[in-house]
Amino acid sequence: QITLQESGPTLVKPTQTLTLTCTFSGFSLATGGMGVGWVRQPPGKALEWLAFISSNDDLRYSPSLKSRLTITKDTSKNQVVLTMTNMDPVDTATYYCAHRIPPGPSFDYWGQGALVTVSS
Amino acid sequence: QSALTQPPSASGSPGQSVTISCTGTSSDVGAFNFVSWYQQRPGEAPKLMIYEVTKRPSGVPNRFSGSKSGNTASLTVSGLQAEDEADYYCSSHGGSNNWKVFGGGTKLTVL
Repeated sequence: QITLQESGPTLVKPTQTLTLTCTFSGFSLATGGMGVGWVRQPPGKALEWLAFISSNDDLRYSPSLKSRLTITKDTSKNQVVLTMTNMDPVDTATYYCAHRIPPGPSFDYWGQGALVTVSS
Repeated sequence: QSALTQPPSASGSPGQSVTISCTGTSSDVGAFNFVSWYQQRPGEAPKLMIYEVTKRPSGVPNRFSGSKSGNTASLTVSGLQAEDEADYYCSSHGGSNNWKVFGGGTKLTVL
C-alpha cells in the first residue's frame, strides 16, 4: 500500500525559504521508473504542478517557478524534499506530494496536503 | 491563467451522462497520450480517475471514461450519482519544457 505524507511549516514570512518534506512508503525511489511530484492549490483555486523527481534523477520544474524551486530525494529515508525560495503571500496554498504512474506524468497516490500560509 | 481550458461548471441529473471538455494545444493534449483526469471533493486531496487518456485506475467505476480528439480531451460520467459531485481537473504532458500542465477545473453539480 502506497502512502505519502507532507510535513513542514504552516507559516512562513515573505522572502523566506519554504522547505517541505514528503515521506512515503509502499515504493522505493531506488526502483526504476518510480517518481514523486509536487502540486499546490491556493485556497479556492486550481491545481498547479510544481516539480518532479524520478528514481534515475530526472528533474522537472514548472517553467514559471523554476528559478525558485529545488527538488531532491533521499532514497534511504524514503523522502523527497521541495524547497521554494523568496516566498510571497501569493504562494499561500495547500502543497501536495504524489506518486506517479510510470512512464507518464499522472499521479495515482497523493498525500493529504500541507497548508502553508505566507504572512508577516 | 491555466494552460488547459475547461468549462467552469457542468451539471446533470442523477442517471444522466455529462461530458467535460479540456482544450489544449498541439504541444500538449494534441501531442501526447498522457491526458489524465482528477476528481477533488471539498477538503480532500485529488483522486486520479483517468490516465493516459482512457485508462481507469483500479477501483474507479467504469461510469467514468476518457477520450481525446485533436487538441481536446473529454471526461464522460455516465449514470450520474450524487457522489460524483466534485471538482474535476484535466492534466496533460506538455513536452520537455512543461512536464505537467493542469486545466482550471470544472465544478460538476448533480441536480
